[in-house]
Amino acid sequence: DTGVSQDPRHKITKRGQNVTFRCDPISEHNRLYWYRQTLGQGPEFLTYFQNEAQLEKSRLLSDRFSAERPKGSFSTLEIQRTEQGDSAMYLCASSSDGNEQFFGPGTRLTVL
Amino acid sequence: GENVEQHPSTLSVQEGDSAVIKCTYSDSASNYFPWYKQELGKRPQLIIDIRSNVGEKKDQRIAVTLNKTAKHFSLHITETQPEDSAVYFCAASYGNNRLAFGKGNQVVVIP
Repeated sequence: DTGVSQDPRHKITKRGQNVTFRCDPISEHNRLYWYRQTLGQGPEFLTYFQNEAQLEKSRLLSDRFSAERPKGSFSTLEIQRTEQGDSAMYLCASSSDGNEQFFGPGTRLTVL
Repeated sequence: GENVEQHPSTLSVQEGDSAVIKCTYSDSASNYFPWYKQELGKRPQLIIDIRSNVGEKKDQRIAVTLNKTAKHFSLHITETQPEDSAVYFCAASYGNNRLAFGKGNQVVVIP
């Protein structure tokens, strides 16, 4: 499969725990985006990487959230001290220098 | 700031009829407008997009029109089929090509 992949697909955690998600973009894509989607809403932008550089972060991204893309390929999104309000689908998308963004299947996070 | 609105929120059409979904955006600097289809439990799938230098684009049964002056764009689906039933999201680009999405339209095609 040459599309965007994400791991894990589902994560259930207890409030206060840390979680980490991984995204593998389409191999030749240099741009990578993280979005969050809650029920009945469209995806909301969280952060953006061009190669290994994190160029933009949404104000939605609190200090408990951190993202990395160390070698300009895969990316990780970590949430520390999870809260129930963090429960959502976390989507990753990638693109080349054009605009078209292709989404991965998402990681569904449930915080109990 | 970026604001994208979609309407109607739910649209039911008879199979074979056309469906039209409209979106408005707030930032006149936006220059790229994609539409995504999302089936239940699946990823958003890019179905068509338009850039600000054209007014209309068509791909088989789907088309998108853009009115930059009014800051609105629309998705048109002709000859609807049951497999067109899904949630459709419009989006507008801001800054580094990040996308601001609308809340989505639930399209139901009645056989």
